Amino acid sequence: DADVTQTPRNRITKTGKRIMLECSQTKGHDRMYWYRQDPGLGLRLIYYSFDVKDINKGEISDGYSVSRQAQAKFSLSLESAIPNQTALYFCATSEPTGKGYTFGSGTRLTVV
Amino acid sequence: GDSVTQMEGPVTLSEEAFLTINCTYTATGYPSLFWYVQYPGEGLQLLLKATKADDKGSNKGFEATYRKETTSFHLEKGSVQVSDSAVYFCALSGSARQLTFGSGTQLTVLP
Repeated sequence: DADVTQTPRNRITKTGKRIMLECSQTKGHDRMYWYRQDPGLGLRLIYYSFDVKDINKGEISDGYSVSRQAQAKFSLSLESAIPNQTALYFCATSEPTGKGYTFGSGTRLTVV
Repeated sequence: GDSVTQMEGPVTLSEEAFLTINCTYTATGYPSLFWYVQYPGEGLQLLLKATKADDKGSNKGFEATYRKETTSFHLEKGSVQVSDSAVYFCALSGSARQLTFGSGTQLTVLP
């Protein structure tokens, strides 16, 4: 099993729909992250969590929400999806020093 | 805030050519620096890292040296292979201990 598992791998949804992307990790790390990747823009941080009770907004949190259900689980929700949220989404976990990140394989989301 | 500026792509090379992908950064304090690689259809994998000035990170024939005086961390490889075709991201972890990424450079190596 992968250290960081994201589901689904691919999803097409309609504008206005609510959608949840899920992430689970087996690294035993407290820190988890959600990133969005767009061509030519690299990865941008949406939300991050340093432990179950500590959730923080990243660079581009508008239109997104998250839930940290357990140390190993961190889900990302789009309450009302819009086409410009079409992107590749990555979940990651890291050591407390921030020097060792492990990424999931990504979820490709298309909003039509 | 922290930022990473990366050489724009795409970069196309012939097999066995020399590769350089430039990366410069802006950060307060003493960040750790990273290169990540993304193969088609996959997530990001750590390629190499350096945690202090003058450190050289290396892996799979790739190298990068942490140059504090020029705030740079350029990626090099002496002889690229077709299997090196991927997107390469420079990143830093600063005082907030979060990763800040460059925009990525697409590398295509032709046989």
